[in-house]
Amino acid sequence: DSGVTQTPKHLITATGQRVTLRCSPRSGDLSVYWYQQSLDQGLQFLIQYYNGEERAKGNILERFSAQQFPDLHSELNLSSLELGDSALYFCASSKTGGSGANVLTFGAGSRLTVL
Amino acid sequence: SQQGEEDPQALSIQEGENATMNCSYKTSINNLQWYRQNSGRGLVHLILIRSNEREKHSGRLRVTLDTSKKSSSLLITASRAADTASYFCATVPNRDDKIIFGKGTRLHILP
Repeated sequence: DSGVTQTPKHLITATGQRVTLRCSPRSGDLSVYWYQQSLDQGLQFLIQYYNGEERAKGNILERFSAQQFPDLHSELNLSSLELGDSALYFCASSKTGGSGANVLTFGAGSRLTVL
Repeated sequence: SQQGEEDPQALSIQEGENATMNCSYKTSINNLQWYRQNSGRGLVHLILIRSNEREKHSGRLRVTLDTSKKSSSLLITASRAADTASYFCATVPNRDDKIIFGKGTRLHILP
């Protein structure tokens, strides 16, 4: 157990629907990162939050949004789902938000299947 | 877009042999990290090397960094069946908070 908790573990839904993925960071970590992993694209950085504020943005689609709450848990919202959104979504946390020696602790992932 | 690219994409070796994976990246970095992922599971941090370091060791792992060539290598010595996994390099660009991963090298240790 890495200390990073992601729910749900598996999710099957239909095209056009909306889902919310949840992440609780490791105790003491202030920063949360979201990544999407699909077979052909590897691990794509989506977005990073630090202590409730957006810190860095990657290849996140406009249909996707995220936030980090005062208790530091984070949610990734995926809407108007398409078949191509099927992937493993990982949350990772780190102690700080700076680009120094941040080491990520990953959750087990949420596997999303869009039918 | 990917910052780091691992090479080879896949590697199969006999147990006990050494495995070498390479990573090339595009922009100047603060540090470079290697992670391991067992099939379908979360990534696990292995080792971090800073831009002013050239080599680092951790157990059976040896990482080198050549900033002039924008490349790094990960050597796993005396491989074991449990080393079967995908290995990713992750770069932290200067003045940037993103941690960008490559597509990984799939390592298979044959018994």
